[in-house]
Amino acid sequence: KQEVTQIPAALSVPEGENLVLNCSFTDSAIYNLQWFRQDPGKGLTSLLLIQSSQREQTSGRLNASLDKSSGRSTLYIAASQPGDSATYLCAVLNTGGFKTIFGAGTRLFVKA
Amino acid sequence: GAVVSQHPSRVICKSGTSVKIECRSLDFQATTMFWYRQFPKKSLMLMATSNEGSKATYEQGVEKDKFLINHASLTLSTLTVTSAHPEDSSFYICSAIDITSGSGNEQFFGPGTRLTVL
Repeated sequence: KQEVTQIPAALSVPEGENLVLNCSFTDSAIYNLQWFRQDPGKGLTSLLLIQSSQREQTSGRLNASLDKSSGRSTLYIAASQPGDSATYLCAVLNTGGFKTIFGAGTRLFVKA
Repeated sequence: GAVVSQHPSRVICKSGTSVKIECRSLDFQATTMFWYRQFPKKSLMLMATSNEGSKATYEQGVEKDKFLINHASLTLSTLTVTSAHPEDSSFYICSAIDITSGSGNEQFFGPGTRLTVL
């Protein structure tokens, strides 16, 4: 059974700092891994999608990596801003059963 | 990017009534749609997977007679919470995939529906 874990559960950093969010999964039989952002009381905003055959994806200040063999992904945020404050979720789409499993998320707070 | 809408965005109802939530893919054909539930400060829990024209596949512990899912067309799926009770109060989110598009099974999420049962 796929389990997705995100560490840390919460993170508070000063503005301008570079930071790394971690996601690990137990079953490497995945189609892809997605990183999302969720603001309080809102839906999900897709940040980056990494296919199982890819190693990383970049968008602006965000870079996500995927190491399928070790079951790990990281989301790197460069030069953090207060507007980056949100909950960041990672999710894997399993090949078995074609279902998505989410991690519990990392709540990020960037202080001005 | 692809857009998924949900309606209503917020609903308050009395205990015992039924509530229908719509999920629409606006500019693509959704071969598969997923319904999730999210409790406050918790992650998303997959409730069911629906494929157009066939019965939904429910996750363990999700009552299919309580949460009726219909995916009658390639652009619309509905979730009906029947005989709602206060413990059904939650944030419900749908997502959609077009497995034929070559987008790598990217999921596009709706904005969510907040259900409050009094």
